[in-house]
Amino acid sequence: NAGVTQTPKFRVLKTGQSMTLLCAQDMNHEYMYWYRQDPGMGLRLIHYSVGEGTTAKGEVPDGYNVSRLKKQNFLLGLESAAPSQTSVYFCASSFLRGLDQHFGDGTRLSIL
Amino acid sequence: AQKVTQAQTEISVVEKEDVTLDCVYETRDTTYYLFWYKQPPSGELVFLIRRNSFDEQNEISGRYSWNFQKSTSSFNFTITASQVVDSAVYFCALSVDSGNTPLVFGKGTRLSVIA
Repeated sequence: NAGVTQTPKFRVLKTGQSMTLLCAQDMNHEYMYWYRQDPGMGLRLIHYSVGEGTTAKGEVPDGYNVSRLKKQNFLLGLESAAPSQTSVYFCASSFLRGLDQHFGDGTRLSIL
Repeated sequence: AQKVTQAQTEISVVEKEDVTLDCVYETRDTTYYLFWYKQPPSGELVFLIRRNSFDEQNEISGRYSWNFQKSTSSFNFTITASQVVDSAVYFCALSVDSGNTPLVFGKGTRLSVIA
């Protein structure tokens, strides 16, 4: 019962470094999402995907890129990390757009 | 544009008290879905309930109940006889077919239940 798996769980970066967060789901869901959670801000959508090979911008896409080369994987990239990107990142997937999203356990990312 | 407002940032109650978490939403769509999620201190997001816009029936699940009122655009969540394990951040969320964001979250209400 893996569901949605995020890798890594924790990471510390220096300003300007790049990294990729990996999200994998085993439920054959079409939709996948990346959110960030900041104190007092709730969850805000960064990017999402409606299927393999497609991506779309969410509320806060700047500074991030995504790719969905395989249906089960959704990658979130930070090309040049900034302290403002320090956050907890959640990945989610769903069968229908927006509905009944299954969330991963989150990735805590700190940028110094 | 869609919006979800959770006006209560933090609530503290003593164990066994009842508590209501407020959620007000905004949308021009006639078809939409409302959700509540729980985020315990361990950090994961736990789905609690989904309600569609055509179903205004209140729902009860154990100590949890939800009151959906389209007339006031509210979807409030009540915990009866609260317990320490209910301590968490609770998020209300809204999904519509139109717009760029499939699911919009409120900022959350942190509930602390004190023994």
